[in-house]
Amino acid sequence: ETGVTQTPRHLVMGMTNKKSLKCEQHLGHNAMYWYKQSAKKPLELMFVYSLEERVENNSVPSRFSPECPNSSHLFLHLHTLQPEDSALYLCASSQDRGLSEQFFGPGTRLTVL
Amino acid sequence: SQQGEEDPQALSIQEGENATMNCSYKTSINNLQWYRQNSGRGLVHLILIRSNEREKHSGRLRVTLDTSKKSSSLLITASRAADTASYFCATGATRGGSYIPTFGRGTSLIVHP
Repeated sequence: ETGVTQTPRHLVMGMTNKKSLKCEQHLGHNAMYWYKQSAKKPLELMFVYSLEERVENNSVPSRFSPECPNSSHLFLHLHTLQPEDSALYLCASSQDRGLSEQFFGPGTRLTVL
Repeated sequence: SQQGEEDPQALSIQEGENATMNCSYKTSINNLQWYRQNSGRGLVHLILIRSNEREKHSGRLRVTLDTSKKSSSLLITASRAADTASYFCATGATRGGSYIPTFGRGTSLIVHP
């Protein structure tokens, strides 16, 4: 266990559904990240939050909407997704000192039908 | 733009042999990190090497960094079947006080018992 949990672990949704992914870290970190991992592609950084403020938005479509209500929780709200959005979504956290390692959650395997 | 690129993409060895993976990157970095990922799971941090370091050890792992060649290598000595996983390098730069990492596509390592 890395101290970062993600729910749900698996999610199947239709293109018209609205769902949310949840990430929680118990490490006292103050930076959190969302990544997308698709087959045969590099890990793609989607969003970075530092001290609950979004500091990076890597040209992600608006159908993905992040929310960081406090330094321990991070959400990714999903709506009107496309089949190509099917992927493993990984959350990570780190101490926001600019040089620290990241701790990853187990991921949510998302399938969009 | 893509930073770290691992080489080879896939590596298959026998238990007891050494495994060497390489990572090349394009721009200046603060540090370089190596991660491991078991199939469909989150990434686990292995080792971090700073830009002013040349070599680092952790158990059976040895990482080197050559900033003049913009490359790093990860050596796993006396490999075990349990080392079977994908290995990623991540290069990082600090922007706005936050660590923004970029991952490569990874090297898939298979260790045969």
